[in-house]
Amino acid sequence: KNQVEQSPQSLIILEGKNCTLQCNYTVSPFSNLRWYKQDTGRGPVSLTIMTFSENTKSNGRYTATLDADTKQSSLHITASQLSDSASYICVVRSGYSSASKIIFGSGTRLSIRP
Amino acid sequence: GAGVSQSPSNKVTEKGKDVELRCDPISGHTALYWYRQRLGQGLEFLIYFQGNSAPDKSGLPSDRFSAERTGESVSTLTIQRTQQEDSAVYLCASSSMTGRSPLHFGNGTRLTVT
Repeated sequence: KNQVEQSPQSLIILEGKNCTLQCNYTVSPFSNLRWYKQDTGRGPVSLTIMTFSENTKSNGRYTATLDADTKQSSLHITASQLSDSASYICVVRSGYSSASKIIFGSGTRLSIRP
Repeated sequence: GAGVSQSPSNKVTEKGKDVELRCDPISGHTALYWYRQRLGQGLEFLIYFQGNSAPDKSGLPSDRFSAERTGESVSTLTIQRTQQEDSAVYLCASSSMTGRSPLHFGNGTRLTVT
């Protein structure tokens, strides 16, 4: 069964600290993995995409990793800011066309405290 | 417009009434998706359109839910005889043809059934 599991479910850290969010997936065939950020009251927005051949990709203070062998991904946030408070959703696509299955994790709710 | 537009942004309705939710995708995006997000929960897939056909309706929770799309443009999600359990945010997303393309989400319609 295709599944995407995220941990922790929620996380509270102090402003300026780093954190790492985890995503484990059992999706086959694997095409790509995206991390989305969802601010309260808004739709999710894509942060980064990881494909089978990519191990690490950075987008500003966000760094995503992918281990295709163990089927794990992480999202590391450096020097957190209050605006990083949001839900972070791991999404795995199975297949290569727009008709391919898209499997969502249930998200990690991150709160940054001043 | 530059993004996916959904209307209304908020809808309060009485139990038993019908509601219609609208989504205007990004121009040129052939794929369109509807999701439901209950308070504090992850995204739940409802239906996928490719052009104006719906090859995957597997997420529609009951026959009270239906959706249509005209051309490669506007989509409407209709909920008949609304129930309190239908209260949620309904999110629409669109994407272009390739499996590498991100989903572009609207900000959703918050539906409250009283």
